[in-house]
Amino acid sequence: ETGVTQTPRHLVMGMTNKKSLKCEQHLGHNAMYWYKQSAKKPLELMFVYSLEERVENNSVPSRFSPECPNSSHLFLHLHTLQPEDSALYLCASSQVDNSPLHFGNGTRLTVT
Amino acid sequence: SQQGEEDPQALSIQEGENATMNCSYKTSINNLQWYRQNSGRGLVHLILIRSNEREKHSGRLRVTLDTSKKSSSLLITASRAADTASYFCATGRTGANSKLTFGKGITLSVRP
Repeated sequence: ETGVTQTPRHLVMGMTNKKSLKCEQHLGHNAMYWYKQSAKKPLELMFVYSLEERVENNSVPSRFSPECPNSSHLFLHLHTLQPEDSALYLCASSQVDNSPLHFGNGTRLTVT
Repeated sequence: SQQGEEDPQALSIQEGENATMNCSYKTSINNLQWYRQNSGRGLVHLILIRSNEREKHSGRLRVTLDTSKKSSSLLITASRAADTASYFCATGRTGANSKLTFGKGITLSVRP
């Protein structure tokens, strides 16, 4: 148990579908992150929420829409995705004081 | 870019041998972190070394940091089959984790 739980573990969706990824942390952290991990590429930071406020958006296409309703929950809403968006999406949390990241086990997304 | 680059990309050793993995980066950093990822799982933090530290130990792990060469190494002593995983270095340029940048990772295989 990592303390950071992501659901679903696997998701297959068509390009016209709308789906959401969910992340929940039980560690009392006050910062949460979405990362994208594709084969043969470095981990890409997508969004950062600190104290429930979005502090970073790394030029992510608008078809990805994050939501952080409270410090324990983070969502990534997906719509009209492309096949190249297929990847492992990882959620992480930490304290804002630069303590290490705690990752969930990810959602393996396949866009058909 | 301050992106960490790991070397080698893949490493295969016999159980009981030591494994040395290297990371180089381009700009000044606040800290450097090493993470491990088992297949199909999230990343797990292993060790953090600050820019004013030169060496750190944690169990069978030894990390060194040479800021003059902008490089770090991770040594795993007396490797075990269970150490088989991907290893990532991540560099933090300021005090905030939002600036943490990951490399592509090193695939370590430990043969029993």
